[in-house]
Amino acid sequence: SQQGEEDPQALSIQEGENATMNCSYKTSINNLQWYRQNSGRGLVHLILIRSNEREKHSGRLRVTLDTSKKSSSLLITASRAADTASYFCATDFQGAQKLVFGQGTRLTINP
Amino acid sequence: GAGVSQSPSNKVTEKGKDVELRCDPISGHTALYWYRQRLGQGLEFLIYFQGNSAPDKSGLPSDRFSAERTGESVSTLTIQRTQQEDSAVYLCASSRGDAGTQYFGPGTRLTVL
Repeated sequence: SQQGEEDPQALSIQEGENATMNCSYKTSINNLQWYRQNSGRGLVHLILIRSNEREKHSGRLRVTLDTSKKSSSLLITASRAADTASYFCATDFQGAQKLVFGQGTRLTINP
Repeated sequence: GAGVSQSPSNKVTEKGKDVELRCDPISGHTALYWYRQRLGQGLEFLIYFQGNSAPDKSGLPSDRFSAERTGESVSTLTIQRTQQEDSAVYLCASSRGDAGTQYFGPGTRLTVL
């Protein structure tokens, strides 16, 4: 399988703490994306990082990419209850336009 | 403009019946994708349309599954002779076709009894 794999599968933290999720993949990529899913329905795009980038920020989100290790991390700082969701990484498959999604990390922020 | 829309939002059907799921992509998006997501699982790629090119059907799980797209507009995913294992949320996404951001619809939750 060429799917990405997220780690951990589930994460539960207190509001205000930082949450870190990791993603590993198997093939060379053009870019890696992170998506959020609430309540098992549509996904919302969070951030895209290209293979020639090492770090990217968007608000409270920080994404890193290490192509030598074929891994990425998503850091959410100062978490809020509204951040409770499943988070998925997605990679383009062998340069094609379709995305391959991992199994996701279920993040729970406790008030 | 409007986002990706899907209909119906929920569909309950009996085993053996055929179902059609509809996706309206964002206007101007040349690429359209169908995914399946079983409960608590990640997304499984099903099929991808890009402009007038032949669709990438490599993710369709069996010949009971088919999809069509008219030009760069509406797509229909058809599942024939549904099985209980087909129960899942079916998600549609569209993009500009540049391997960038995909915009997802709210999904259709299919339940096969």
